[in-house]
Amino acid sequence: QKEVEQNSGPLSVPEGAIASLNCTYSDRGSQSFFWYRQYSGKSPELIMSIYSNGDKEDGRFTAQLNKASQYVSLLIRDSQPSDSATYLCAVSGGNQFYFGTGTSLTVIP
Amino acid sequence: NAGVTQTPKFRILKIGQSMTLQCTQDMNHNYMYWYRQDPGMGLKLIYYSVGAGITDKGEVPNGYNVSRSTTEDFPLRLELAAPSQTSVYFCASSYGTGLTNSPLHFGNGTRLTVT
Repeated sequence: QKEVEQNSGPLSVPEGAIASLNCTYSDRGSQSFFWYRQYSGKSPELIMSIYSNGDKEDGRFTAQLNKASQYVSLLIRDSQPSDSATYLCAVSGGNQFYFGTGTSLTVIP
Repeated sequence: NAGVTQTPKFRILKIGQSMTLQCTQDMNHNYMYWYRQDPGMGLKLIYYSVGAGITDKGEVPNGYNVSRSTTEDFPLRLELAAPSQTSVYFCASSYGTGLTNSPLHFGNGTRLTVT
């Protein structure tokens, strides 16, 4: 069973701060990694994907991948109250996508 | 762009009734998935398909059936509904897991209550 682990939180940060979300995975052969944001009562929406070691930046979001450590993270800079949501880490392998249970983030105004 | 479309959005079933959750995608994706998400919990894979005519069980397939007669459609059938099937159901699709830049695209979900 391929596993994806996330700290469930909740994680609270003040508005304007950096939120750091972490994820580890068990399958060393995994090649594709994704971060999804899920607002309460809504479906998951893709915010970042990363395939190579290193950092990938998109606006206020930065995904970091370290395949040797089997670790992927998401940094949210200048956090806004609208970033308050559950963040799901996903890893693809075989024919499936494997999800963590999500980290709940609250940005305090 | 429609993406992944699920119907209905909400449904209330009585114990023992049956229903089909519809899912269709217009992105020509080969891979399609059904997940359920219980309140405050993560996503659990019910069934998936890597192409028309091919389906496989996921983590929690009991009580469900699927078919994949076309690339676009992947309906989920609930037979003899039970209260344990009360959940939010998400359909999702992707070009495939062996490709880069091929994330999972989700539908808006179906909220099902069995009483």
